[in-house]
Amino acid sequence: QSALTQPRSVSGSPRQSVTISCTGTSSDVGAYNSVSWYQQHPGRAPKLMIYDVSKRPSGVPDRFSGSKSGNTASLTISGLQGEDEADYYCCSYAGSYTPYVVFGGGTKLTVL
Amino acid sequence: QVQLVQSGAEVKKPGASVKVSCKTFGYTFTNYDINWVRQATGQGLEWMGWMNPNSGNTGYAQKFQGRVTMTRNTSISTAYMELSSLRSEDTAVYYCARGRAARPINWFDPWGQGTLVTVSS
Repeated sequence: QSALTQPRSVSGSPRQSVTISCTGTSSDVGAYNSVSWYQQHPGRAPKLMIYDVSKRPSGVPDRFSGSKSGNTASLTISGLQGEDEADYYCCSYAGSYTPYVVFGGGTKLTVL
Repeated sequence: QVQLVQSGAEVKKPGASVKVSCKTFGYTFTNYDINWVRQATGQGLEWMGWMNPNSGNTGYAQKFQGRVTMTRNTSISTAYMELSSLRSEDTAVYYCARGRAARPINWFDPWGQGTLVTVSS
């Protein structure tokens, strides 16, 4: 059982928008603005897409956006493209002692 | 560019230990932490711990405390993760990832290519 809860799967058609939720607790997501999101294609290493809840690293399209409300963070992908089909993982800092960092269980995004 | 290159796949017997290396390129090794994350086949990501290459300080997830050791060799900009008392449930791809040395830990970027560790009798 993962520390953060994500839907197992979401889907959307090209050019539509989808939102993936990530629910934690007041000890992780709710306590810190240190939520990050990772995209993982099959057989590949994860790639950072969002950090500090809503910041995008250089090179990540602005179609990807993040937000947080209380203990739930969200990743929104607008203008879906086929290449967005992948697994997405949320991650949160959880304090200065173990476990330090917790991941969600992952969400499979299917572009219809 | 910043790159993390990991050692090759390993096959180990139950009870043995494995040591995975992560050689870094393109940045000052001692300025960032190295984190280790594993992923069993078809499963999600599981954070194992962090190591600060400057001080050698470490922090481990409770699940791995007592079985994992994270070290480094600053002369060759390489981090290591050793996991002992291996069992079949440790079969997974192990990733190293660069992280911020300061707290909070707020990103992992980039990641190594992953090292498959198979535990089988």
